[in-house]
Amino acid sequence: GDQVEQSPSALSLHEGTGSALRCNFTTTMRAVQWFQQNSRGSLINLFYLASGTKENGRLKSTFNSKESYSTLHIRDAQLEDSGTYFCAAYYNVGDNSKLIWGLGTSLVVNP
Amino acid sequence: AQTIHQWPVAEIKAVGSPLSLGCTIKGKSSPNLYWYWQATGGTLQQLFYSITVGQVESVVQLNLSASRPKDDQFILSTEKLLLSHSGFYLCAWSLTGGFERLFFGHGTKLSVL
Repeated sequence: GDQVEQSPSALSLHEGTGSALRCNFTTTMRAVQWFQQNSRGSLINLFYLASGTKENGRLKSTFNSKESYSTLHIRDAQLEDSGTYFCAAYYNVGDNSKLIWGLGTSLVVNP
Repeated sequence: AQTIHQWPVAEIKAVGSPLSLGCTIKGKSSPNLYWYWQATGGTLQQLFYSITVGQVESVVQLNLSASRPKDDQFILSTEKLLLSHSGFYLCAWSLTGGFERLFFGHGTKLSVL
């Protein structure tokens, strides 16, 4: 079954406001990455976390492996924040690791 | 600093025609390399990965093949395109290891008509 549930699937924000995106996992994940895909299709690295919280400007991300979730908080949203946000998480398969992707959150920031 | 370059930026091809997409990584020795495919509006699906020159593992069979002829080069190809091959193709690299961060190229948009 699905191992990454990303929500919401779509989000609309006014400039200056904020919100949170979330990924819930149904198996133990070892690390998580968050990406922003811009209008050209490029995937921009936002965060990589093995645990805890990281902050970068108006973005903050948390990964709680024990409770099986990760969040991405956006504050003071700007027009250039529009795009699709993906979480991707690593889990163990025997001696190997696998990366699984969320289905994405389509964010539109309006003036 | 590492750079990853994909070519071409976009392609429009006919069904049944051949395809070759390329990816070059500079500034990193012996990276793990990956090909991903993304349908319009969809999520990313890993197609192939390679941990060393000459070795490529297939993750999903989509009538595509991949090769790693040099340490810094990864090629995705097929002899006969299908309509279902349309989409966005992304090359990525990571350090060797289990849970390493992925870095992506800018992608190639492929339209098969």
